[in-house]
Amino acid sequence: GAVVSQHPSRVICKSGTSVKIECRSLDFQATTMFWYRQFPKQSLMLMATSNEGSKATYEQGVEKDKFLINHASLTLSTLTVTSAHPEDSSFYICSAIGWAGGPGNEQFFGPGTRLTVL
Amino acid sequence: KQEVTQIPAALSVPEGENLVLNCSFTDSAIYNLQWFRQDPGKGLTSLLLIQSSQREQTSGRLNASLDKSSGRSTLYIAASQPGDSATYLCAVLSGSARQLTFGSGTQLTVLP
Repeated sequence: GAVVSQHPSRVICKSGTSVKIECRSLDFQATTMFWYRQFPKQSLMLMATSNEGSKATYEQGVEKDKFLINHASLTLSTLTVTSAHPEDSSFYICSAIGWAGGPGNEQFFGPGTRLTVL
Repeated sequence: KQEVTQIPAALSVPEGENLVLNCSFTDSAIYNLQWFRQDPGKGLTSLLLIQSSQREQTSGRLNASLDKSSGRSTLYIAASQPGDSATYLCAVLSGSARQLTFGSGTQLTVLP
């Protein structure tokens, strides 16, 4: 199956700093990428949807100025957590959908990034 | 707005038992339904994907069924093993934006 990578897998930062997380589709071109957040013992919550070359669409309650998403190419999307605070500590997971075909396309998930803000 | 519910929230069974995990969703206009496995602190492993036109999918000891009209899916695990211990998540793809909506998961423990 298709492979999606994330980097870094784990990051610890001080409060007030910014952190960038990369999501790459390794063997396919991703027209759409999704960013999810998962708090401990909770399920995944969609944060935003990004299409290559256009602005991301954020879910209600997600601050677009705090969580900057850039989908600069068909294989790379980045999530930047700006001025991170301890409450931003979470597990961030991206997924990607490839080109071809209709709405039944499978989303392929990255391994996730554990962010800890001190 | 699509909502996905999984029952039970946690399940503990002895090794060798067959078990069923349940998933229900409120909007039957879905494109597909997917079952995932998540180990503690790890990402998602896709187990089975059922397209909206399908009734079931099988992979090894796993069988997933879909009844779209009633908004239900079940994941059947045969002859459970301790290695099956994990959280199982159900997710449906729906809406014009092709968004996945996840259930809260069932935490499965298979006792040796």
